[in-house]
Amino acid sequence: DIQMTQSPSTLSASVGDRVTISCRASQTISSWLAWYQQKPGEAPKLLIYKATSLESGVPSKFRGSGSGTEFTLTISSLQPDDFATYYCQQYYHSPLTFGGGTKVEIK
Amino acid sequence: QVQLLESGGGVVQPGKSLRLSCTASGFTFKNYDMHWVRQAPGKGLEWVAVISRDGTITNYADPVKGRFTVSRDNSKNTLYLQMGSLRLDDTAVFYCTRALGPFDYWGQGALVTVSS
Repeated sequence: DIQMTQSPSTLSASVGDRVTISCRASQTISSWLAWYQQKPGEAPKLLIYKATSLESGVPSKFRGSGSGTEFTLTISSLQPDDFATYYCQQYYHSPLTFGGGTKVEIK
Repeated sequence: QVQLLESGGGVVQPGKSLRLSCTASGFTFKNYDMHWVRQAPGKGLEWVAVISRDGTITNYADPVKGRFTVSRDNSKNTLYLQMGSLRLDDTAVFYCTRALGPFDYWGQGALVTVSS
């Protein structure tokens, strides 16, 4: 199975900050990586697919980068609505696997 | 608009069975592979199962293999997850999701609590 490792697990930031979340795959997944945002009590929401493509309707403040085994989600100018948990997920090979999540908290 | 609505969750004793349903609307259901993803309380996301568009191909995560069965009825736009031999660690919110690669739409989730 492909293991997805996210870091950090928790990130404290202030409104207006730019934050970066990392995701590492245990083997190459090309660009078959997605990022999701999840708020408490809600289903996850797709933000980024194919490592760098922005899902329709998602603001451009979210940017994905990387390929192979190293990936990054960058959120520019954090707003109160962005404080949530973020997950990466590989869809290169079954079983599909998620990272452990990164909780972005208000500092 | 695309909607996925799970039902059938509840409290069940260890070793018992439960069936979840997911009713889809707003898109051509038969054109999409469908998945189940679960989330234990306070934990991360775990992929559970997938079924192909025509229902002929299925695949399961190791922890549920042999206990869970995914199926679909394209005439009813409905996805199912039959869960058997339930264990305490199956307690989770179960989401149905649509996929053309990534999971672009999710249901609101159905809570399954396995407790004696």
